[in-house]
Amino acid sequence: GQQVMQIPQYQHVQEGEDFTTYCNSSTTLSNIQWYKQRPGGHPVFLIQLVKSGEVKKQKRLTFQFGEAKKNSSLHITATQTTDVGTYFCAGLTGNTGKLIFGQGTTLQVKP
Amino acid sequence: EAQVTQNPRYLITVTGKKLTVTCSQNMNHEYMSWYRQDPGLGLRQIYYSMNVEVTDKGDVPEGYKVSRKEKRNFPLILESPSPNQTSLYFCASSFGGRGVYEQYFGPGTRLTVT
Repeated sequence: GQQVMQIPQYQHVQEGEDFTTYCNSSTTLSNIQWYKQRPGGHPVFLIQLVKSGEVKKQKRLTFQFGEAKKNSSLHITATQTTDVGTYFCAGLTGNTGKLIFGQGTTLQVKP
Repeated sequence: EAQVTQNPRYLITVTGKKLTVTCSQNMNHEYMSWYRQDPGLGLRQIYYSMNVEVTDKGDVPEGYKVSRKEKRNFPLILESPSPNQTSLYFCASSFGGRGVYEQYFGPGTRLTVT
């Protein structure tokens, strides 16, 4: 069945360093969503990408959707301790409501 | 306040005892979904509903039932819970329409089946 692989599983960085997490789908996606989950909390929506090759920025966060709509990345510039949490991608295929989440990347930031 | 509520937040039960986890949203969203979260596996979709009276299987529907009789409510039913259903469960809702947009998640229900 459809799979979305996310790497790395864990990342420890020094505050101020950059961070990137990658998602790869086994099938072409209609769109991809990104979520952040703080420890003990629930996932919170960050962004949705729809178009091939799309790039969106939110302050220090940059999101990309691959040309083939099978991969995506989230890049954080100059991490801060407030960036700590687990980042998930979620891919949607077609017009169904079936979402496949990646396994998540847990980010730890050392002050 | 726009929100998704789940009840109960914590539940310890025994194998085979039927239970229902309720989910309600006050945003008039068409789309609702249930997920389970297990360490190392991320979030896995159990069932989703694009609108009232329309439900579909997600990735891991076995052992679960849902219903969508009203727009605001989407209960998750475990007819005969087993220990492998011990997990953290999240309900989510979204504007929906022709696709799935920003999902709002509930606070989660931690279920332990002994």
